Amino acid sequence: GDSVTQMEGPVTLSEEAFLTINCTYTATGYPSLFWYVQYPGEGLQLLLKATKADDKGSNKGFEATYRKETTSFHLEKGSVQVSDSAVYFCALSPDSWGKLQFGAGTQVVVTP
Amino acid sequence: NAGVTQTPKFQVLKTGQSMTLQCAQDMNHNSMYWYRQDPGMGLRLIYYSASEGTTDKGEVPNGYNVSRLNKREFSLRLESAAPSQTSVYFCASPAPGTGYTEAFFGQGTRLTVV
Repeated sequence: GDSVTQMEGPVTLSEEAFLTINCTYTATGYPSLFWYVQYPGEGLQLLLKATKADDKGSNKGFEATYRKETTSFHLEKGSVQVSDSAVYFCALSPDSWGKLQFGAGTQVVVTP
Repeated sequence: NAGVTQTPKFQVLKTGQSMTLQCAQDMNHNSMYWYRQDPGMGLRLIYYSASEGTTDKGEVPNGYNVSRLNKREFSLRLESAAPSQTSVYFCASPAPGTGYTEAFFGQGTRLTVV
């Protein structure tokens, strides 16, 4: 079945460092890919998405490119802030009904 | 615009007790979902409802029942709680305007079964 694998955390960074969180997926067909973010004590929020191969999603300085050849959707940010401390989930949606298959989540801690 | 509202936010149950988690959305969406979040496992789909009057099992439905009361409300019931059901529960509703590709989540219910 469909699955999402993302790097384990926690990832600890200093402010202004470069962030990469790796995400790879297994799916039949052509899923949509997402990054969701969960701030402490809150629900998940959509950070960015890509719906077809070679699409780049971007938001709040974060970027991820849908790579079909490597089945990957890695999240990057050039200069993180303390406010980026959160848990980041990679996810895919295999069909048009909105069901999401999530990775395990990666906790990111940014220190001043 | 409240989006997706879940109640309660926290709950402690004894093994064998029952409870219902409530979820309501004010976005006039057709679809609603229940997920559980466990450490190291991400979120897993328990049940979903593609439209009012329909419900279907997700990945981990055992021990749960759901009711789609109307278009706004989708409740999750634990008939006889077990410690394995200790988790954080999220209700979500994908937006049809995005081709169902963007889901809005509630703030979660943290449930502990002792």
